[in-house]
Amino acid sequence: GENVEQHPSTLSVQEGDSAVIKCTYSDSASNYFPWYKQELGKRPQLIIDIRSNVGEKKDQRIAVTLNKTAKHFSLHITETQPEDSAVYFCAAYSPGAGSYQLTFGKGTKLSVIP
Amino acid sequence: ETGVTQSPTHLIKTRGQQVTLRCSSQSGHNTVSWYQQALGQGPQFIFQYYREEENGRGNFPPRFSGLQFPNYSSELNVNALELDDSALYLCASSLTGRGGELFFGEGSRLTVL
Repeated sequence: GENVEQHPSTLSVQEGDSAVIKCTYSDSASNYFPWYKQELGKRPQLIIDIRSNVGEKKDQRIAVTLNKTAKHFSLHITETQPEDSAVYFCAAYSPGAGSYQLTFGKGTKLSVIP
Repeated sequence: ETGVTQSPTHLIKTRGQQVTLRCSSQSGHNTVSWYQQALGQGPQFIFQYYREEENGRGNFPPRFSGLQFPNYSSELNVNALELDDSALYLCASSLTGRGGELFFGEGSRLTVL
């Protein structure tokens, strides 16, 4: 099955700096890569996603890049703000035969220091 | 529009007992999936239901079972509880189970003693 590795597990940045979180996946058939943000005690919420036919996608301060050849994708947050502090999860969707499954990474705890 | 709701929010069980968790999907969503999130870990896929049929299952033993009802609400049942089953159980609904945004509930926090 699919395996998603996520790095780093923790990340501290100064307010206004950029943050980058990287993920790799193992299943070359995976074709959808979402990123979820989970604040303490809250539900995960989608912040951005990318499909395998696109190399990059941007939404205001957040961008995601995908390298299918290397099987890795990254989340970039620019001009970080204290409210960006949360745990971020990458995930990969594998349309296996007869089975639909989203595999998550273990998460990155981002702390933005004011 | 009503979001995904789960019940109960917290519960405590002892080893060997059985538990049923419930989920109401977001209006208009016909696909429900369940995830187990251990402390400090990412959500792990348990299974997915589409129009009352299971159409995907993760690496969980058969004592984890589920149901989806005609109104697309869902249940997760866990038999013979083990200590390692202690976790946050998240339900998510979506318009399609084939790669699209998941809308999560707040989760049910299960503690097994």
